[in-house]
Amino acid sequence: GENVEQHPSTLSVQEGDSAVIKCTYSDSASNYFPWYKQELGKRPQLIIDIRSNVGEKKDQRIAVTLNKTAKHFSLHITETQPEDSAVYFCAASEGNAGNMLTFGGGTRLMVKP
Amino acid sequence: DTEVTQTPKHLVMGMTNKKSLKCEQHMGHRAMYWYKQKAKKPPELMFVYSYEKLSINESVPSRFSPECPNSSLLNLHLHALQPEDSALYLCASSLDSAGGRYEQYFGPGTRLTVT
Repeated sequence: GENVEQHPSTLSVQEGDSAVIKCTYSDSASNYFPWYKQELGKRPQLIIDIRSNVGEKKDQRIAVTLNKTAKHFSLHITETQPEDSAVYFCAASEGNAGNMLTFGGGTRLMVKP
Repeated sequence: DTEVTQTPKHLVMGMTNKKSLKCEQHMGHRAMYWYKQKAKKPPELMFVYSYEKLSINESVPSRFSPECPNSSLLNLHLHALQPEDSALYLCASSLDSAGGRYEQYFGPGTRLTVT
């Protein structure tokens, strides 16, 4: 089955700095890579996703890049704000496995004002 | 309605109790999911329903019994649980499940404590 590794497990940045979270996956058949943000006591919230036919996708201050050859994808947050503080999960889905998401272990992002 | 809702928000049950968790969506999604999330861990998939039929069971113990009465509703029946089953139970839905490329939207979860 799919295995997703996520790094770092914790990340502390100063407000206004950029933050980068990296994930690697094992199954070359995976074709969909979402990122979720989960604030304490809240539901995971889909913030951006990328499909295997695209190398990069941007939405305001967040962007995701995908390198299919190396089997890794990354989340980039620019101009971080205190409200970006949360746990971020990457995930991968293999096309023939019924939309099953395999999650990375999570990154706790802390943005210091 | 663009949300997945779950009831109850919190549930405390004894090991001999029978209880049910409920999930509802009115976005016309045809795939629904149950996940279990322990503290400081990612969600773990338990079940997938596609077009009201169980399509994936991730080797979940039989004390968890899912049910999909219609395309908008998903239940999880609980019986004879163990304290280690205490967790946040999340429901999610997506437009479809075929092809593995549909956005999944999560409900707020039910915080379950087994005493």
